[in-house]
Amino acid sequence: DVKVTQSSRYLVKRTGEKVFLECVQDMDHENMFWYRQDPGLGLRLIYFSYDVKMKEKGDIPEGYSVSREKKERFSLILESASTNQTSMYLCASSLGQGTLSYTFGSGTRLTVV
Amino acid sequence: DAKTTQPNSMESNEEEPVHLPCNHSTISGTDYIHWYRQLPSQGPEYVIHGLTSNVNNRMASLAIAEDRKSSTLILHRATLRDAAVYYCILIKRNTGGFKTIFGAGTRLFVKA
Repeated sequence: DVKVTQSSRYLVKRTGEKVFLECVQDMDHENMFWYRQDPGLGLRLIYFSYDVKMKEKGDIPEGYSVSREKKERFSLILESASTNQTSMYLCASSLGQGTLSYTFGSGTRLTVV
Repeated sequence: DAKTTQPNSMESNEEEPVHLPCNHSTISGTDYIHWYRQLPSQGPEYVIHGLTSNVNNRMASLAIAEDRKSSTLILHRATLRDAAVYYCILIKRNTGGFKTIFGAGTRLFVKA
């Protein structure tokens, strides 16, 4: 089974801190994604990457950046955390072609205080 | 981007079939219909997908309308472990970047 592993399950950070959320997948998937999930809003796409060193903005990229230096790893960076970035963050991966089924990680619940 | 519409919540009794509807009236010819479910405290997991024909797998069945503007996820015998949020989404067959819209989904409650 494909596994997508997010480094932290729960994280508490202070306003203004730089925050790194790490995601690793073990099945050589080309595409990787970062979503945030908030009550009543479903999943919203922050950034995605379809190849090493490639990235594309999703629907809500403001306040975030990403890094994909290796195929298996996709990092989400909050340059200066703010309280409105308190959320559940979900990483996903998929093959580059075909029907593009996603495999999700278990999520990181980030609280910014 | 094509969007889907689902009821906010549904309720079922254990051991009974459940039909979860989804409307996608703006679907295009290259959109696949996918269903995912999210159990409490977990990320979404893949359930089933289809293009035009009905599909069956060990988890569920997917019935797709002839005009593809709606679909129904069928759980043949609901169990307590099926209580989750179910998302119906459209994914374009593509080789590069793409956008997928996840709505709020349908929260399924299963009563013992």
